Amino acid sequence: AQKVTQAQTEISVVEKEDVTLDCVYETRDTTYYLFWYKQPPSGELVFLIRRNSFDEQNEISGRYSWNFQKSTSSFNFTITASQVVDSAVYFCALSSPSGGYNKLIFGAGTRLAVHP
Amino acid sequence: DGGITQSPKYLFRKEGQNVTLSCEQNLNHDAMYWYRQDPGQGLRLIYYSQIVNDFQKGDIAEGYSVSREKKESFPLTVTSAQKNPTAFYLCASTSGGSGANVLTFGAGSRLTVL
Repeated sequence: AQKVTQAQTEISVVEKEDVTLDCVYETRDTTYYLFWYKQPPSGELVFLIRRNSFDEQNEISGRYSWNFQKSTSSFNFTITASQVVDSAVYFCALSSPSGGYNKLIFGAGTRLAVHP
Repeated sequence: DGGITQSPKYLFRKEGQNVTLSCEQNLNHDAMYWYRQDPGQGLRLIYYSQIVNDFQKGDIAEGYSVSREKKESFPLTVTSAQKNPTAFYLCASTSGGSGANVLTFGAGSRLTVL
């Protein structure tokens, strides 16, 4: 079965705190892709990162970083020194052959609220 | 600027009525998708199309219909057969048919059934 679990429904932090959003996935495929998208209040999902299953290097982009660990089937997302503009719903998603490569499987999302 | 335009942004419908949500893209993308988002749930795929005049059902296609007569347009009709149509609907597109491609999303249409 293909599945993405984002156990944290809502997270509330104060500005400048670091915050980690968890993502655990399930797939029997050896080749797959993982994604993170951000959904601000405007509603449009914005692409953040794509990672294929053969690239386990962690990635950093400014205040954002991603930790991909195949051993635990996790692809966690950390925001360092959070800002109010980071307030949004964040989705983790999986694409794999057996799930139908054309179909992204999304987690339920984590709503992040960053307070001044 | 290239992008996806969804309209209307808000739509109210009486029970028993069909409504059509518009999705237009000027990105020259081949594949287009419709997702449904409910509170506390992830996005669920309704229909997708990889090429003009062809489309496939997603995981929750019952009560919905689509057409793909032009590359840039992929309208979604929510029929009276859809038992719980109140939701946020998102249209997306990508240049290829592979799920490895990054999706570009529209701003969504919020449908409320009165």
